[in-house]
Amino acid sequence: GAVVSQHPSWVICKSGTSVKIECRSLDFQATTMFWYRQFPKQSLMLMATSNEGSKATYEQGVEKDKFLINHASLTLSTLTVTSAHPEDSSFYICSARVNGDIQYFGAGTRLSVL
Amino acid sequence: QKEVEQNSGPLSVPEGAIASLNCTYSDRVSQSFFWYRQYSGKSPELIMSIYSNGDKEDGRFTAQLNKASQYVSLLIRDSQPSDSATYLCAVKLLGGGGADGLTFGKGTHLIIQP
Repeated sequence: GAVVSQHPSWVICKSGTSVKIECRSLDFQATTMFWYRQFPKQSLMLMATSNEGSKATYEQGVEKDKFLINHASLTLSTLTVTSAHPEDSSFYICSARVNGDIQYFGAGTRLSVL
Repeated sequence: QKEVEQNSGPLSVPEGAIASLNCTYSDRVSQSFFWYRQYSGKSPELIMSIYSNGDKEDGRFTAQLNKASQYVSLLIRDSQPSDSATYLCAVKLLGGGGADGLTFGKGTHLIIQP
């Protein structure tokens, strides 16, 4: 399958700081990437759809000013969690759409906010 | 509300037997259906996609789709201990899950007993 690289895999930060997560498509161009969040023992919840060269589309209830998404190229989307708080601690996973509706996922980033 | 439902389990199956995982969805017009496997602490990996009514086989895996009953299933033949994981059903719900995103069920925790 297609390779999606996500970095970092694990980050610990202090409350109030910002964290940037990168998602790269390594062997294909991805005009559309997605950002999901998963809390323990819960399913993946779509946060936003990232479109290359345009503004991201956020799901209801997701604060766009808190979760900044930039999709500046066909192979890179970034998610910045601004002013992180302990309740933002979660597993963040990106995916890229390859063919039709098929999505391949990055390895995920485990964020712990102290 | 657009939903994807799965029995959370755990579902315990003896090694070598057939594991049957089920999923129902609420949106009659959904067209794309996926099964992902997620090991603990890891991101989901795609197992199967299915778009048309009937069965689709890939190795030990068979996906079954019945759009009239709004039901999709995954069969795993000759179950192995390495199949022990959480299996996520994902549906592209038209009008839900964002413009292009997938809506995930909560997953079924499968345990293959040696």
